[in-house]
Amino acid sequence: IVLTQSPATLSLSPGERATLSCRASQNINDYLAWYQQKPGQAPRLLIFDASNRATGIPARFSGSGSGTDFTLTISSLEPEDFAVYYCQQRLNWFTFGGGTKVDI
Amino acid sequence: EVHLVESGGGLVQPGRSLRLSCTASGFTFNDYAMHWVRQAPGKGLEWVAGINWNSGSIGYADSVKGRFTISRDNVQNSLYLQMNSLRAEDTAFYYCAKDMGFLEWLVPDYWGQGTLVTVSS
Repeated sequence: IVLTQSPATLSLSPGERATLSCRASQNINDYLAWYQQKPGQAPRLLIFDASNRATGIPARFSGSGSGTDFTLTISSLEPEDFAVYYCQQRLNWFTFGGGTKVDI
Repeated sequence: EVHLVESGGGLVQPGRSLRLSCTASGFTFNDYAMHWVRQAPGKGLEWVAGINWNSGSIGYADSVKGRFTISRDNVQNSLYLQMNSLRAEDTAFYYCAKDMGFLEWLVPDYWGQGTLVTVSS
């Protein structure tokens, strides 16, 4: 299963809304997760099964979608949200998308 | 607090072998699946292998199938990755990650800090 993320880079300002897309090459139901990674750090789980926030994740992060099209929305960007975001499917083992960099 | 510490990385020649280890603490290790995920420098994430709580379900990425073997020791709270026939394209940071599912597969939630494997002559 191939996951395609778009855009590759998203240039925004603090306080703006970020909308990240992930498209699967086949129906993956809602078996999609989102991760955030900052330079020099391990990834951090944000969302699992399309729309469930992981423990401790702020409410400004939300996930939606099912089937082949998914969206991660950050309602109002905080300075610490500028990072790379990856989607991951778990229908057929696991694969990651190529990532979206959210920068200032 | 969940703590995962990888070890065993280093410089290795193409065609040689290396064994990575991950020591886990802060949770009941034998209740959760575990994963290895790698990241080439400056590149994206690639899932490498996963093993369920009792080693009864194991999966590999196509890129490493037949060359890498994942295993675990639930007494020692340890996860392993035996890497054989290494190639230059296996050069990456290798992360150990805990699955969030209790006695089932879900997704990785906690990650170690990674160990660097460099394959070069």
